[in-house]
Amino acid sequence: AQKVTQAQTEISVVEKEDVTLDCVYETRDTTYYLFWYKQPPSGELVFLIRRNSFDEQNEISGRYSWNFQKSTSSFNFTITASQVVDSAVYFCALSDNTGNQFYFGTGTSLTVIP
Amino acid sequence: DTGVSQDPRHKITKRGQNVTFRCDPISEHNRLYWYRQTLGQGPEFLTYFQNEAQLEKSRLLSDRFSAERPKGSFSTLEIQRTEQGDSAMYLCASSLDISKTQYFGPGTRLLVL
Repeated sequence: AQKVTQAQTEISVVEKEDVTLDCVYETRDTTYYLFWYKQPPSGELVFLIRRNSFDEQNEISGRYSWNFQKSTSSFNFTITASQVVDSAVYFCALSDNTGNQFYFGTGTSLTVIP
Repeated sequence: DTGVSQDPRHKITKRGQNVTFRCDPISEHNRLYWYRQTLGQGPEFLTYFQNEAQLEKSRLLSDRFSAERPKGSFSTLEIQRTEQGDSAMYLCASSLDISKTQYFGPGTRLLVL
């Protein structure tokens, strides 16, 4: 069965601090995809990144970086020098090779305090 | 704006009434998905279409729920005889076959009184 766990329900940081959001997944598939989405108060899920199971290279995009480790089944997301606009709920998701279904974690609500 | 659009954005209805939501996917996307999201939870898969064919349905999709995608373009999700437990955000997403990335619309927030 596919499962995504985001153990951190809520995180608060002061602006300019770094913050890491954890994501642990379970799957028996050898080929799968991992995603991060941002959901601001407006409600729309915004796509941030996709990784496939064969690509363990870490990725950096501006202040965002992702650390994928198959050995620990984790796909963690770090925001460097956080800003108030980063305040949102962040979801980690998993899909199999078909991409037919996404399995979402319960999300981590991030509040960046000015 | 060429993203996924949903209409209406908000719907308040009385228990027992029928409601219908519409989703317009990104124009070249052949896959369309419906999800339900309740407060404090991640989105839960309801159903998905490849072109006009409905290929998969979740156990969450009771017989009061029906979805269509005529001509493989926009999709509608209808809930008959609404119940208070149907109150949720209903999200639509679309993707290309080879992409595996789903792009989400702004959602329709349903409140059943």
